[in-house]
Amino acid sequence: DTGVSQNPRHKITKRGQNVTFRCDPISEHNRLYWYRQTLGQGPEFLTYFQNEAQLEKSRLLSDRFSAERPKGSFSTLEIQRTEQGDSAMYLCASSLGQVSPDTQYFGPGTRLTVL
Amino acid sequence: AQSVAQPEDQVNVAEGNPLTVKCTYSVSGNPYLFWYVQYPNRGLQFLLKYITGDNLVKGSYGFEAEFNKSQTSFHLKKPSALVSDSALYFCAVSPPGDMRFGAGTRLTVKP
Repeated sequence: DTGVSQNPRHKITKRGQNVTFRCDPISEHNRLYWYRQTLGQGPEFLTYFQNEAQLEKSRLLSDRFSAERPKGSFSTLEIQRTEQGDSAMYLCASSLGQVSPDTQYFGPGTRLTVL
Repeated sequence: AQSVAQPEDQVNVAEGNPLTVKCTYSVSGNPYLFWYVQYPNRGLQFLLKYITGDNLVKGSYGFEAEFNKSQTSFHLKKPSALVSDSALYFCAVSPPGDMRFGAGTRLTVKP
């Protein structure tokens, strides 16, 4: 399967713990995006990368959230000191980045449950 | 600000009947509009997009969407619904980077 992959698929943690998610984009896709989706809502944009550069961050991305894409390939999203309100599906998407706007292809998501 | 609205939380149709899932948009400048579908426990799958040109856009799985500038709408359509089309459908608008999604419409196709 050459699509976007995300790990883990599910994560259960206790409030106050740190969690890290990984996203592997489609090979040769320059852009990588993170979204958060809560029940009954559409995905909400968090941040995106063009290669290794983080170009945009939503105001939803509080100081407890940090994302990296160190070599312009895979990306990680870390949430520090998790809160119950962080419980959601975290989606990653990638796109070629050669035209604007271009089509984003989504991974299966990581479902986070904070107890 | 760029935004889309999906006025219906739920759409029910009988198999074989035509289906429409509605979307309206609010953008400054030229709209770039997308439709995605989400099946249970899976990520969003791209269906189609409108950038410019022909107002009728054809996409995957027999879906099409009609861009209507005067009504600021981008409704998703299919001439004959299948039970397997039952899923959650999202309309989205995309300036560079920041794709904004509607709240979604759950489509249920009954045999």
